Amino acid sequence: GENVEQHPSTLSVQEGDSAVIKCTYSDSASNYFPWYKQELGKGPQLIIDIRSNVGEKKDQRIAVTLNKTAKHFSLHITETQPEDSAVYFCAALRAGNMLTFGGGTRLMVKP
Amino acid sequence: KAGVTQTPRYLIKTRGQQVTLSCSPISGHRSVSWYQQTPGQGLQFLFEYFSETQRNKGNFPGRFSGRQFSNSRSEMNVSTLELGDSALYLCASSLNRDDWYQETQYFGPGTRLLVL
Repeated sequence: GENVEQHPSTLSVQEGDSAVIKCTYSDSASNYFPWYKQELGKGPQLIIDIRSNVGEKKDQRIAVTLNKTAKHFSLHITETQPEDSAVYFCAALRAGNMLTFGGGTRLMVKP
Repeated sequence: KAGVTQTPRYLIKTRGQQVTLSCSPISGHRSVSWYQQTPGQGLQFLFEYFSETQRNKGNFPGRFSGRQFSNSRSEMNVSTLELGDSALYLCASSLNRDDWYQETQYFGPGTRLLVL
C-alpha cells in the first residue's frame, strides 16, 4: 500500500519568514495530493491540493509543488503569520477515497 | 452551506462496551469516509461508504464497522472497546460525482473517544 513520509516533524519560524514542509510517497499510481491544517480541538481543514497532471499550484501565500519523478511534494508558506501556527498534514490518494497521511508537522510562528 | 457535523463530540466509555458515532455529510455529498487519529499512529483510514455500500476498508479489526443511510448520513460502531481505541474519530465527506475522480474530502470536527 501507499506510504507517506513527512518532514520535518516540528518547524519553528519567525513571523514573516517562509516555511517549507516536504513529503515523499511510495506509490507511483497516487495522483491526488491534498494538504490539511489542523488546529487544536478541530478537524483537519483543506488548505490546498494538487493533482498529478500539475507541477505547481499557488493560492495567495500558500503554494504546493509536485515532482512525480522523484515522488515528492512540498508545501510552501510565505510571509508566515502567528495564525499559521498549527499542525500540517500532507496526504496522497491513489484510488477510491483512501487518503494516506504523513505524520504531520507542527509549525510554530513566533511573533 | 453547513459543514460536516459529528455527534457526539466527546465520549467516555469503559473497556468491553460498544459505541456508535454519527456523521452528517455536507449537503449533496455522497461519500463518507472515517479516519482514526491517535498520537502514536497518526491519521489512519477506517472505511468509506458510498450509496449505502462500503466501498473501501482499511486495516482495522472487525470490531470496527459502519453503515450509511439513504440520506448519506453515516454511523460507525466499535464493539468490545479496548483501551487502545481511545482516539479522535474523524468523518470526511466528498461529492464523488464519478468513481474515478478523486474529490476533495472535507472533515468534521471529530468525536473524541476515551476508553477507561
